Amino acid sequence: QKEVEQDPGPLSVPEGAIVSLNCTYSNSAFQYFMWYRQYSRKGPELLMYTYSSGNKEDGRFTAQVDKSSKYISLFIRDSQPSDSATYLCAMTPLLNSGGSNYKLTFGKGTLLTVNP
Amino acid sequence: DTGVSQNPRHKITKRGQNVTFRCDPISEHNRLYWYRQTLGQGPEFLTYFQNEAQLEKSRLLSDRFSAERPKGSFSTLEIQRTEQGDSAMYLCASTLGGNSYNSPLHFGNGTRLTVT
Repeated sequence: QKEVEQDPGPLSVPEGAIVSLNCTYSNSAFQYFMWYRQYSRKGPELLMYTYSSGNKEDGRFTAQVDKSSKYISLFIRDSQPSDSATYLCAMTPLLNSGGSNYKLTFGKGTLLTVNP
Repeated sequence: DTGVSQNPRHKITKRGQNVTFRCDPISEHNRLYWYRQTLGQGPEFLTYFQNEAQLEKSRLLSDRFSAERPKGSFSTLEIQRTEQGDSAMYLCASTLGGNSYNSPLHFGNGTRLTVT
């Protein structure tokens, strides 16, 4: 079993839909969670990061973390064709001193297409 | 553009040849990372530097791979005697580092290596 599981999709939705993307993880040491968006032939672009359970909102994006279930989600409201990309979850432990060494463990990524 | 810069964008080489990639991180970032991403997978950690010191190397980094960051600014990743299994996207990322977990990892657009 991989440390981070992410359904690769593909996921196809109509413009304006609410999109839900999810990852599960097995390593309880993971405390710092990130979502990246990756367009074809480009590097991952950071969307959101969080290190606490609960919700964090930024514009049309909401990141949700449930540490008790080892489950994280990214919600995209009012999805746009420009949101079409691969979405990668990533996570890593926090150090005792605080902060992170950023040795990230990624999911495989979910390919999202938003149709106009 | 003040993001992470990688060159070349694409490299095609024959099996057995040596290749070298360059990464210029965001200027004030003292931590620099190399990741590798194969098709349909998330990026995997290879190695990272704090200033000019290489702090950790993944088991994925065979002895054919060497990375340097001689003056704590740009970094190079060299692969000797390339094999077809080395074909991948090589991603560089940087962060401020230290104990701040409010400075997540920012990636470049990668160097795509094709070994024929």
